[in-house]
Amino acid sequence: NAGVMQNPRHLVRRRGQEARLRCSPMKGHSHVYWYRQLPEEGLKFMVYLQKENIIDESGMPKERFSAEFPKEGPSILRIQQVVRGDSAAYFCASSRRQGGNSEQYFGPGTRLTVT
Amino acid sequence: EDQVTQSPEALRLQEGESSSLNCSYTVSGLRGLFWYRQDPGKGPEFLFTLYSAGEEKEKERLKATLTKKESFLHITAPKPEDSATYLCAVVDNAGNMLTFGGGTRLMVKP
Repeated sequence: NAGVMQNPRHLVRRRGQEARLRCSPMKGHSHVYWYRQLPEEGLKFMVYLQKENIIDESGMPKERFSAEFPKEGPSILRIQQVVRGDSAAYFCASSRRQGGNSEQYFGPGTRLTVT
Repeated sequence: EDQVTQSPEALRLQEGESSSLNCSYTVSGLRGLFWYRQDPGKGPEFLFTLYSAGEEKEKERLKATLTKKESFLHITAPKPEDSATYLCAVVDNAGNMLTFGGGTRLMVKP
């Protein structure tokens, strides 16, 4: 009974490179959320997706960040042209029903370091 | 805008010394309040969901309660393995995302 899976667990990128973070939701879950935890700050919502649809991206930075959840395969959070301020832990969560009506279960996170 | 404030920021207890963590919230229509536990270097682990004032949930040494303005996480006779950061989050009626508080870092000494 696998939980939410994220890979890679650790990712190091130089400034200007691209970062791709992957998330496979729990079995039976079709709702995926991405959150970011900056050093010494709390968890902040970024984006909420269902299969092939972005439902709410109100927490996503306007530039360089994008997310998708294709019909087949994991959800991807993509950060283009990374900067040092992107260094953070990125967590994916999934739920069986819409958030608020259903618990969100979190993965172990991807720790991105930008050098 | 939803706001969640947790207190204290850090709490040191002796093993067996019961205490409570506070979560105050301001939200435009509460859909649910959630408690999570987070260990260093790991993702948040779900503990409880509370939906309406007066509701209580229990699990081992933990008990969560909810009023119209705040929630408490009561820890009875804690053990060192209860040491972690405890996070409170809310979802309002207009959205689906969790709005988190800053967390309470609990340290239980043997």
